[in-house]
Amino acid sequence: EVQLVESGGGLVQPGGSLRLSCAASGFIFSDYPMVWVRQSPGKGLEYVSSITHSGDNTYYRASVKGRFTISRDNSKNMLYLQVGSLTTEDMGVYYCATSHDYSYEYWGQGALVTVSS
Amino acid sequence: DVVMTQSPLSLPVTLGQPASISCKSSQSLVQYGGSTYLTWFHQRPGQSPRRLIDKVSNRDSGVPGRFSGSGSGTDFTLRISRVEAEDVGVYYCMQGRHWPQTFGQGTKVEI
Repeated sequence: EVQLVESGGGLVQPGGSLRLSCAASGFIFSDYPMVWVRQSPGKGLEYVSSITHSGDNTYYRASVKGRFTISRDNSKNMLYLQVGSLTTEDMGVYYCATSHDYSYEYWGQGALVTVSS
Repeated sequence: DVVMTQSPLSLPVTLGQPASISCKSSQSLVQYGGSTYLTWFHQRPGQSPRRLIDKVSNRDSGVPGRFSGSGSGTDFTLRISRVEAEDVGVYYCMQGRHWPQTFGQGTKVEI
């Protein structure tokens, strides 16, 4: 059974940072590109960042480029998202998902990021 | 970015009756090889999205046959032939043809 389990969310002050993690199991992690998607009441579902199966290439939506860093450790079946210089615009539930053939098949349960002083 | 527009945004349904949701994209979702990258998801309250349909009309494993997808180019439709109680929640379309992938606003289905 495919499982994606996010962790690392929490309350952070404006300008602060967090590292989100996604533990993958039940499939050959190193075969799959991965993506982070966030969901907020104001913006709905929104692509944040993605990474190729090898980790050689990374992509970011414009609003997070330079502040967020996606990475993966295929030896540990782990996906990461380092998020920094956070604003209230970055608040929401962050999901990791498998990305294959321009679609997202499997999703984690999400990690809530709250930005508040 | 490609804008995905769903309608209606709220859909009251009756158990056993059909329902349909429209999704329109601001650009064609047809890839050069001929595939069309339009996905439908269902999200129940408190849960993460679950993929229902890929490439316009391909149902995922375990998705009931009452769900079907159709459309081409920029106009797409998700149909539920006979609504069941477990179908409540929010339905989203997503385009994968153009980077970044973008989602519709969601259609809330309630009994």
